[in-house]
Amino acid sequence: SAVISQKPSRDICQRGTSLTIQCQVDSQVTMMFWYRQQPGQSLTLIATANQGSEATYESGFVIDKFPISRPNLTFSTLTVSNMSPEDSSIYLCSAGQGSEAFFGQGTRLTVV
Amino acid sequence: SQQGEEDPQALSIQEGENATMNCSYKTSINNLQWYRQNSGRGLVHLILIRSNEREKHSGRLRVTLDTSKKSSSLLITASRAADTASYFCATAAGTASKLTFGTGTRLQVTL
Repeated sequence: SAVISQKPSRDICQRGTSLTIQCQVDSQVTMMFWYRQQPGQSLTLIATANQGSEATYESGFVIDKFPISRPNLTFSTLTVSNMSPEDSSIYLCSAGQGSEAFFGQGTRLTVV
Repeated sequence: SQQGEEDPQALSIQEGENATMNCSYKTSINNLQWYRQNSGRGLVHLILIRSNEREKHSGRLRVTLDTSKKSSSLLITASRAADTASYFCATAAGTASKLTFGTGTRLQVTL
């Protein structure tokens, strides 16, 4: 199984600022994804991070708000831009290895 | 939007009892995966069952899949306090590791 390291593990941010979350996988993977988990809810897919090209966003998520980078097969970043309290969530990175998907420990973001 | 619905939403049992969680989904799938989440942190992959499989075992876990009913169940036998967590089913349709999650079941195992 892939081991995924995500940082920061948590942060408290002021509204209007931006936070970049990093995701490092211990092996090369084809697929990387970013999910959001709002308080008390399940996970919702934000986007697929594509290596060498623009990310593919799901309905309701846009690049201006959630820019994503994926410079190589082991690393990706998600930025939460111009934050508001509604962005307070856990953000999780996922890597696909074959059919299985593995997750990082998540970043717990609180916007005040 | 969530593809899957899970029931029950919450389940409280005593240590040693079995826990069964159910998941229903709406569209055709390639596989279905179950995850555990402790205290709102990262997800731990428990088991994957492919669309052409009906049952799978892993230790104290047993997963069934009924594609005609678009449903799956997760059975945890001889539960332990350490099994206390939220459990999620997740389905993959096209891209095998791109997942749509169910609503989750919160399991509480008491001594």
